[in-house]
Amino acid sequence: DIQMTQSPSSLSASVGDRVTITCRASRNINSYLNWYQQNAGRAPKLLISEASSLQSGVPSRFSGSGSGTDFTLTISSLQPEDFATYYCQESYSSPPGFTFGPGTKVDI
Amino acid sequence: EVQLVESGGGLVQSGGSLRLSCAASGFSFRSYSMHWVRQAPGKGLEWVSYISSGSDTIYYADSVKGRFTISRDNAKNSLYLQMNSLRADDTAVYYCARDLRVAQGFDYWGQGTLVTVSS
Repeated sequence: DIQMTQSPSSLSASVGDRVTITCRASRNINSYLNWYQQNAGRAPKLLISEASSLQSGVPSRFSGSGSGTDFTLTISSLQPEDFATYYCQESYSSPPGFTFGPGTKVDI
Repeated sequence: EVQLVESGGGLVQSGGSLRLSCAASGFSFRSYSMHWVRQAPGKGLEWVSYISSGSDTIYYADSVKGRFTISRDNAKNSLYLQMNSLRADDTAVYYCARDLRVAQGFDYWGQGTLVTVSS
C-alpha cells in the first residue's frame, strides 16, 4: 500500500501570506496526486488534479507541483476563505486505494 | 447544477446494518464512476469504495471488505452503500463523490450523512 504524509500538520498564517504545504508518497506515484480543501463542517472540494492541473473555478493563487514522491501545494496570497484543512490524495495505486494524506490545517 | 444528496445515516448498534443512498442530479449519472468516502469525527478522509459507471468494476478499502457492498441504479440516478456487521470504528460522516476521470480525483461531493455505531 502507498502511504501518504503531509507537512506541516498545521500552520498559522496571516491574510496575504504565501503558504506551502508538502505531501510525500511512500513510493513513486508519477503525477497521480490530487489536492482538496475542506472548510469546517463542509464537504471537501477538489482544487488540483494530477499534481498541477487547477480545477475550473479555483482561484489562480492556488498552484501545485511535483512528481514521483514529493509534491507541494502553494497558496500565493492567503485569503480569509482559505483557512481550512488541505488533503493530498494519491490516485496511482492498483488496485486503487485512493489514499489521502492526514491533512494540513491552515489557521489564523 | 450537479447535486449529490446522501441519506440513510443514523444510530445503529454494533453488529447491525444500515443502507446509505446517494441521489444524483444535474449530470449524466450513468456516465460516471462513483465513490464513497468517510470521515470519522475530528479525523481525516478515508476512501471506502468505488464503482464504475456500469457496475462492472468495484473496489473496497481493506477496512470494509466483506462487510460493505456498493451498488448503483442508473435508471434511478442513485448510488448505494449496504453496510453490515458495523463496528464502532465505522462511525463517521459518509460522503458520496463523483469520479472526475480515472486518476483525476473526485470533483463533486455530497453534504454527507452521519453514521454512528454504538457499542
